[in-house]
Amino acid sequence: AQSVTQLGSHVSVSEGALVLLRCNYSSSVPPYLFWYVQYPNQGLQLLLKYTSAATLVKGINGFEAEFKKSETSFHLTKPSAHMSDAAEYFCAVSSNQAGTALIFGKGTTLSVSS
Amino acid sequence: DAGVIQSPRHEVTEMGQEVTLRCKPISGHNSLFWYRQTMMRGLELLIYFNNNVPIDDSGMPEDRFSAKMPNASFSTLKIQPSEPRDSAVYFCATRTGTSGSNEQFFGPGTRLTVL
Repeated sequence: AQSVTQLGSHVSVSEGALVLLRCNYSSSVPPYLFWYVQYPNQGLQLLLKYTSAATLVKGINGFEAEFKKSETSFHLTKPSAHMSDAAEYFCAVSSNQAGTALIFGKGTTLSVSS
Repeated sequence: DAGVIQSPRHEVTEMGQEVTLRCKPISGHNSLFWYRQTMMRGLELLIYFNNNVPIDDSGMPEDRFSAKMPNASFSTLKIQPSEPRDSAVYFCATRTGTSGSNEQFFGPGTRLTVL
């Protein structure tokens, strides 16, 4: 079974500051890991994914995440926040077997102030 | 590609009425997922289908909820009778079975309000 914990339901940063959104997972099998972003009144959009290749994964809009097996973590970072990054971010996990469902965390709302 | 299409985008109904939400997957995608999103419970997986066959419906809250996928191009989620606590945003997501990564593509959602 898999589960995801996102630490902090709300994160606030200033424009230009580092963004760090935390995600820890639990999985009894090698996982696939994902970060999705949801802008207001929209569906979820994939930011990046880890599928057992490189542990440092680069995604869209300057975001990246590092898979750390020893820490069971997949934290999302961006060196410099933009106002347009304000959204809700979801971490998700699935097993590495094709056809299995994604299990989502409860989400972290990112606020960016000028 | 038009992406995942959901209809209606907004639905307001009265308690006790039947509600039907619709989803058209991306062409060629053979897995389909229904999620419900609320402030209290976050994003919950209700049911998913592989090749039109329901695989896991353990997330369906109760017998008032039912989902069908009669063919590869269409799925419905029905609530009968609806209750105020069903108010939520319902998302459909689809996936190709050959991607290898389990990545899902989400529709824009249906915002349901039950009065």
